[in-house]
Amino acid sequence: EAAVTQSPRSKVAVTGGKVTLSCHQTNNHDYMYWYRQDTGHGLRLIHYSYVADSTEKGDIPDGYKASRPSQENFSLILELASLSQTAVYFCASSDWTGGGETLYFGSGTRLTVL
Amino acid sequence: GEQVEQRPPHLSVREGDSAFITCTYTDPNSYYFFWYKQEPGASLQLLMKVFSSTEINEGQGFTVLLNKKDKRLSLNLTAAHPGDSAAYFCAVDNAGAKLTFGGGTRLTVRP
Repeated sequence: EAAVTQSPRSKVAVTGGKVTLSCHQTNNHDYMYWYRQDTGHGLRLIHYSYVADSTEKGDIPDGYKASRPSQENFSLILELASLSQTAVYFCASSDWTGGGETLYFGSGTRLTVL
Repeated sequence: GEQVEQRPPHLSVREGDSAFITCTYTDPNSYYFFWYKQEPGASLQLLMKVFSSTEINEGQGFTVLLNKKDKRLSLNLTAAHPGDSAAYFCAVDNAGAKLTFGGGTRLTVRP
């Protein structure tokens, strides 16, 4: 079965600190995504990647960087964490080939910035 | 870019009743549509995906309707049961490798 694993499951960070969220997939998918979910809201795309060593900006990239060192791994980096970045972050993968492909999501990382 | 509005944000129904959730989207070139279910504390799981060529899609205990003229996607849970209590999200894909999600509907099914 498709597997997307995120770490950590939850994290508390201080304002101005650096935070790295990690994602690992064993689906052999080319596409990986980072979404954030705010309480009571839908998901918004931060960054995505379709090949190792390359990342693309999503709809809300400001304040975030992404890294795709290999097909299996995709990280989200908050260089200077801010209160407004408190949210649940979901990683996903897909084998996008033109449209209609299913996203497979990880379990999420709950980030609290104090 | 694509905008997706989902209504209602919260919905409470009695067990055995129907639950109806609607999304409207803006891009007339959107071609693929999804419903995801998120149980409390869990991740999103695909409920159904539909293609623009099919207006009525039947699932187990639910129906998905697509009205391309009105740019509206609907999910109808028939005879809801407590296990259906979850958040439901629509998503739209215009073949650009990125999904746009609606804001979600938090459904509570009361025994």
